[in-house]
Amino acid sequence: DGGITQSPKYLFRKEGQNVTLSCEQNLNHDAMYWYRQDPGQGLRLIYYSQIVNDFQKGDIAEGYSVSREKKESFPLTVTSAQKNPTAFYLCASKTAEGVYGYTFGSGTRLTVV
Amino acid sequence: AQKVTQAQTEISVVEKEDVTLDCVYETRDTTYYLFWYKQPPSGELVFLIRRNSFDEQNEISGRYSWNFQKSTSSFNFTITASQVVDSAVYFCALSEVGRGAQKLVFGQGTRLTINP
Repeated sequence: DGGITQSPKYLFRKEGQNVTLSCEQNLNHDAMYWYRQDPGQGLRLIYYSQIVNDFQKGDIAEGYSVSREKKESFPLTVTSAQKNPTAFYLCASKTAEGVYGYTFGSGTRLTVV
Repeated sequence: AQKVTQAQTEISVVEKEDVTLDCVYETRDTTYYLFWYKQPPSGELVFLIRRNSFDEQNEISGRYSWNFQKSTSSFNFTITASQVVDSAVYFCALSEVGRGAQKLVFGQGTRLTINP
C-alpha cells in the first residue's frame, strides 16, 4: 500500500547533537512538507519541497535543515542550533496538481535529554 | 497572511451529546481551500473534509457535518450523537490555491474528549 513512512517513531537526543528524521513516500507525490507540533500551538511549517533538489523555508526553519535528493525522500535534520527541539514532527506529501491529495506520516516524537 | 483560529482548546462532553468545533479563518485570497483533520492518540492526521471557497453548501457525512459561512469566515464542524471513538484532537486548516506548494496553515487544534 502507498503511504508515508516516518522513522523512528520515538527519538531521544542529547543536547548539542544533530539528529536526522526520516520521511519516505511511495505515492509518487511531487511536494513534501515538514511540520512541527507543540502542545496548544497546532502544526507549524518547517520546510517544504516542490521538486527534487529544491526546497523552501517555512515559518520556523531556524535550526533545521533538509535535503531532497530523491523524489521519495525528504529527511529533516534537527541541528544543535535549534533551541527547543523537543516536539512531535509530521511529514506530509501531495501531488503537484490539486490540493486534495495531502497525505501525512505517523510522526516522530523527538525528545532532547 | 493566512491565519486559522480554533478558540476552543479543549471540549469535554458525555457520549451521545452533539458537539460543535469552531473554526475562524483569515485570508486575502478569493480562492482557497478549507480542511478538517482528526488526530487520534496514535499521532497521524486523518483527513475528514476539504471545502472549496466557492462552494458554500453545507456537507453531511454520517454523524459529521460542516457549516461553511463565507460571510463570517467560519467553517464549523459538528459531531452528532458523539461516541468515545470521536475523542481526538481536531485541526482546521486553510490552503491557498494554484500557487506553488499550496501550504497548509493550521489552527491550534481542539482536544475533544467524549466521556462514556
